[in-house]
Amino acid sequence: NAGVTQTPKFRVLKTGQSMTLLCAQDMNHEYMYWYRQDPGMGLRLIHYSVGEGTTAKGEVPDGYNVSRLKKQNFLLGLESAAPSQTSVYFCASSWAGEGVDEQYFGPGTRLTVT
Amino acid sequence: DAKTTQPNSMESNEEEPVHLPCNHSTISGTDYIHWYRQLPSQGPEYVIHGLTSNVNNRMASLAIAEDRKSSTLILHRATLRDAAVYYCILRGIYNTDKLIFGTGTRLQVFP
Repeated sequence: NAGVTQTPKFRVLKTGQSMTLLCAQDMNHEYMYWYRQDPGMGLRLIHYSVGEGTTAKGEVPDGYNVSRLKKQNFLLGLESAAPSQTSVYFCASSWAGEGVDEQYFGPGTRLTVT
Repeated sequence: DAKTTQPNSMESNEEEPVHLPCNHSTISGTDYIHWYRQLPSQGPEYVIHGLTSNVNNRMASLAIAEDRKSSTLILHRATLRDAAVYYCILRGIYNTDKLIFGTGTRLQVFP
């Protein structure tokens, strides 16, 4: 049982390049989330999904797109990377979105945009 | 979502108890109090949550004030592995999206 895994662990992009971050979970969770964490800050929600085939915007969605084609996978895309998107990206999943529900986090992807 | 206030940092010696405070004076009746922690270079991990009554689990205890305007996460015997940033988060029972992370309390544990 691997929990939540993220690919890749590190990436350096040039401004304007595109990339996709992959999140996978093997816990059969319905809900999945993408957060970003800037230095010295707490996490902020980018996008989330309440089930296969659904996505919704979070707090800071601009510049990102997501897809949830399979229940176990949640992809985060950057179409044209900008230096402001330099951050650590965390994926999380949970059974449901209710207030009692625990979120399980992946190890993070450290992205640098030059 | 209601806001929480935590001290920026705290220190403890190994094997001593640690009490991490959190103020949430605008908490609503349907808000759960969650605690997560983030070890260095890792994703956050769930610690504990509660609504009104004190809660215990294998990681920690959560003491909730009677008026629910504050709570305290208690680590009974701190270890070096407990050095992390601890986040106190309020989450409505019908909240279907984000956890709102503040800047948390950075706990240092000395041998």
